[in-house]
Amino acid sequence: QVQLVQSGAEVKRPGASVKVSCTASGYTFTNYDINWVRQATGQGLEWMGWMNPNSGNRGYAQKFQGRVTITRNTSVSTAYMELSSLTSEDTAVYYCARGSFVDATMAPDYWGQGTLVTVSS
Amino acid sequence: QSVLTQPPSASGTPGQRVTISCSGSSSNIGSNYVYWYQQLPGTAPKLLIYGNNQRPSGVPDRFSGSKSGTSASLAISGLRSEDEADYFCATWDDSLSGQGVFGTGTKVTVL
Repeated sequence: QVQLVQSGAEVKRPGASVKVSCTASGYTFTNYDINWVRQATGQGLEWMGWMNPNSGNRGYAQKFQGRVTITRNTSVSTAYMELSSLTSEDTAVYYCARGSFVDATMAPDYWGQGTLVTVSS
Repeated sequence: QSVLTQPPSASGTPGQRVTISCSGSSSNIGSNYVYWYQQLPGTAPKLLIYGNNQRPSGVPDRFSGSKSGTSASLAISGLRSEDEADYFCATWDDSLSGQGVFGTGTKVTVL
């Protein structure tokens, strides 16, 4: 069965960086895009960026340009999202999701369990 | 702030029909597919509708989606207690070099 398993919760100081991993299983990792989405407590969903694990092509939400980097290691079917210059506003649950919002035949269907990132001094 | 607007709340009694709207613009809903997600407390979103009106296997046909112009809707018929959750619309936005966008979210309460 398709699974996306994310790394564990993180606590970071303001100004630091965090790197969250998302390991895929149950399907061919390079056949589907990976999206990153975050959700602050009690708030809505916020799209951060995407990557095509096959080509390496990627795109980021304008809000996070220059601060977010999405990478992958195809040998271990894992995608990574690194966010730098953290502030308290970045405290949220971060999700990875397999699929594409552009291609309806590959809709973002499976999601990771979420990783809580807490930014606190 | 989200570019897709949803009502903050909706409610109904068991068996009723509830409709949630999602309002966007020509650069997002007007030119791209709409998706709907259900999120139960403490869990990841679950895909309910893709491609404007298609249901993934396993999603009951009580859930239906539609799109017209720059707006979309999710209808839940035969409302059940387990439908009490947050619902989000999503799509792609062609502006700003292209990016995914989500709606503001609607909390559905079963009275």
